[in-house]
Amino acid sequence: RKEVEQDPGPFNVPEGATVAFNCTYSNSASQSFFWYRQDCRKEPKLLMSVYSSGNEDGRFTAQLNRASQYISLLIRDSKLSDSATYLCVVQAAGNKLTFGGGTRVLVKP
Amino acid sequence: EPEVTQTPSHQVTQMGQEVILRCVPISNHLYFYWYRQILGQKVEFLVSFYNNEISEKSEIFDDQFSVERPDGSNFTLKIRSTKLEDSAMYFCASSPQGVPGELFFGEGSRLTVL
Repeated sequence: RKEVEQDPGPFNVPEGATVAFNCTYSNSASQSFFWYRQDCRKEPKLLMSVYSSGNEDGRFTAQLNRASQYISLLIRDSKLSDSATYLCVVQAAGNKLTFGGGTRVLVKP
Repeated sequence: EPEVTQTPSHQVTQMGQEVILRCVPISNHLYFYWYRQILGQKVEFLVSFYNNEISEKSEIFDDQFSVERPDGSNFTLKIRSTKLEDSAMYFCASSPQGVPGELFFGEGSRLTVL
């Protein structure tokens, strides 16, 4: 089983719509969780951390379900600029992050 | 805004040659990392570096690889005897406090091994 698994997509989303997708992780001892965003051929950039109680940052909402070992990201009122690959990132132990393969989102007018 | 800078942006080399990829982390950051991303694949951890020594490394980071912080600003990744499968984008990252804090990535160095 992959350490961090994501649906690669693409998720084709009409502008203004809501899209949500999940990520599963295999290590139950994982400590910290993040969503990073990666534009085509660019570096990853932190979108948001994911807290146990769930958290929201503007149009983005992240949830963590430790019992089922998944995290989710929901994007409301999608903008064309939200088109990107969203990387699920997990810290299991130590000082390294483990990345999922990414979920590609395409927002269309 | 401070940023991580990497050079070269693209390097083409012959199989068996040695390459050095350079990074200038954000100046007040203490933790440094190298990740790589083979085209179309996920971002993979290579090594973390703190207090002038490797703090963690992956199975990928074998004797072919080494890192160095030769002065107060540069952080380098050396790849000896390059192989075709070393072709990838190599990202340097730095962080003020390490994980679980935010990692700030450079724009990457694309390595093509022929």
